Amino acid sequence: NAGVTQTPKFQVLKTGQSMTLQCAQDMNHNSMYWYRQDPGMGLRLIYYSASEGTTDKGEVPNGYNVSRLNKREFSLRLESAAPSQTSVYFCASTPRTGTNTEAFFGQGTRLTVV
Amino acid sequence: QQQVKQSPQSLIVQKGGISIINCAYENTAFDYFPWYQQFPGKGPALLIAIRPDVSEKKEGRFTISFNKSAKQFSLHIMDSQPGDSATYFCAASTQETSGSRLTFGEGTQLTVNP
Repeated sequence: NAGVTQTPKFQVLKTGQSMTLQCAQDMNHNSMYWYRQDPGMGLRLIYYSASEGTTDKGEVPNGYNVSRLNKREFSLRLESAAPSQTSVYFCASTPRTGTNTEAFFGQGTRLTVV
Repeated sequence: QQQVKQSPQSLIVQKGGISIINCAYENTAFDYFPWYQQFPGKGPALLIAIRPDVSEKKEGRFTISFNKSAKQFSLHIMDSQPGDSATYFCAASTQETSGSRLTFGEGTQLTVNP
């Protein structure tokens, strides 16, 4: 089983460029999440989708947009990249809503904005 | 403001020793406390989790101790092995209808020397 798959694994952008990070899960999970990981700050939630057709802001949503394309796919878009968005981005999914359960993470996308 | 504070930032132990990582939280609505383990280049993976109705949970060499009145919980790794060398994150979440959003601690980089 692939689990949660993220593409690309690495990306370098120039300031002001845009890009979309892709995430797909094959576990039939309802909820999906985007986190960013920065040294000394743990992982912080950017956006999440509790179920297909819904999206909500997390802790650090500024500068990002998301699309829940279908139950499997949840993309993260940077419209105008800034150096402060240099980070490692993780997509995650959980089986169901309304209860706390294990989150499954992808392998991450390392993004550098120069 | 970090709602879950984790210490130490880094930890070095000898093979066979005990590794202890501590976390403190502020939000009394948190009702699920997982620990995630992350190896370099990989996404975090669930290690062990506890709910506040128990004071301790043990799975093999890994134990969570939970102190609800102090709003603290800790991870103990007994008989630490070089293969345990990784970054460990504590986390917390609340049960709600909109999915399992995790609030992470800052992370602890554990090195177990052979």
